[in-house]
Amino acid sequence: GQQVMQIPQYQHVQEGEDFTTYCNSSTTLSNIQWYKQRPGGHPVFLIQLVKSGEVKKQKRLTFQFGEAKKNSSLHITATQTTDVGTYFCGVNYGQNFVFGPGTRLSVLP
Amino acid sequence: GAVVSQHPSWVICKSGTSVKIECRSLDFQATTMFWYRQFPKQSLMLMATSNEGSKATYEQGVEKDKFLINHASLTLSTLTVTSAHPEDSSFYICSATFSHSNQPQHFGDGTRLSIL
Repeated sequence: GQQVMQIPQYQHVQEGEDFTTYCNSSTTLSNIQWYKQRPGGHPVFLIQLVKSGEVKKQKRLTFQFGEAKKNSSLHITATQTTDVGTYFCGVNYGQNFVFGPGTRLSVLP
Repeated sequence: GAVVSQHPSWVICKSGTSVKIECRSLDFQATTMFWYRQFPKQSLMLMATSNEGSKATYEQGVEKDKFLINHASLTLSTLTVTSAHPEDSSFYICSATFSHSNQPQHFGDGTRLSIL
């Protein structure tokens, strides 16, 4: 069946360290979206990737879509306490949109 | 832009009560709205997809008679949890999008439902 996985499940970093979360699909994707959910909050759309090998940057965040369009990564450079939250990838499988299980990021000051 | 309002944000009620949650797109017309359920420290589980003027499409395992969805206009969808029981306690969150697929979802603030 179609599955989307995210690793790691949890990540604890010291403020200033880098962080990366990976999203992997069992099938080729048309696009991938990334969302961030702060503790107690709702998911907020970050970015959408469409093209094979695409790389997009938002300040300290770098998003990459794999060449085979089956995986993606979100990298945060020099984390800050404001980066705390759960990062979800979301993918379309036909008419269905599925969220990954998320990576929960903790940043220690 | 793309603001979604969800109301109420918190509900505590007795078992057997029916609870209605509203989801409104404030500054755009939402072709499609989604209803999710989220347990603590878990991902969002899609319950149903709602298109304006048509019946909602429910995910497998979600009882349509238990979770009534109405999408009467392009700016409003409602979820009614009928005869709620403690096991229905959860965080319910809606999202809206301009079209069904390939568009970002804009989320409401969510509703924390606690059934005593």
